[in-house]
Amino acid sequence: RKEVEQDPGPFNVPEGATVAFNCTYSNSASQSFFWYRQDCRKEPKLLMSVYSSGNEDGRFTAQLNRASQYISLLIRDSKLSDSATYLCVVNPLGAAGNKLTFGGGTRVLVKP
Amino acid sequence: DTGVSQNPRHKITKRGQNVTFRCDPISEHNRLYWYRQTLGQGPEFLTYFQNEAQLEKSRLLSDRFSAERPKGSFSTLEIQRTEQGDSAMYLCASSVIPGQVEDYGYTFGSGTRLTVV
Repeated sequence: RKEVEQDPGPFNVPEGATVAFNCTYSNSASQSFFWYRQDCRKEPKLLMSVYSSGNEDGRFTAQLNRASQYISLLIRDSKLSDSATYLCVVNPLGAAGNKLTFGGGTRVLVKP
Repeated sequence: DTGVSQNPRHKITKRGQNVTFRCDPISEHNRLYWYRQTLGQGPEFLTYFQNEAQLEKSRLLSDRFSAERPKGSFSTLEIQRTEQGDSAMYLCASSVIPGQVEDYGYTFGSGTRLTVV
């Protein structure tokens, strides 16, 4: 089983719609969680950290469910520029080590 | 210093040749990481340094791969006797030593795309 698993998609989303997707992680002791965004043939860029209480950043909302070991990302009012691959990222060791483990990514295509 | 810099951006090499990539991290960042990414996959961890010390190496890093960070600043990743399976994007990232959750994020360079023919 992979440490971090994601639905590869693609999720085809009409412009203005809401899209949500999850990822699951296998290490129950994982400490830190992130969503990164990666455009085609570009480097990953940090989108947002994911906190236990859930957090919002503009149109983006991230949730963490430790009991079920999954993280979610919701995008409201989708824009064409939201088309990208979204990488779920877990730091299994927290402060003891900063080695991030990446999922395979979920591809989102926002269409007019 | 505007970010993490990687050179070259692209490298095409013949099977069996040696290649070396360079990464210049953000100057205030103590930690430097190397990842490899193939098409349709997420980045896979290869190794990381804290200052000049190499603290961890993945099992993915065969003995043909070696990484150095001699002065705790830039790093090089060398692949000897390249194979077609080495074709990938090699990403370098840097970070501060984590003290808070907000510090855990990496800043990635643009990567070096290696094609072995």
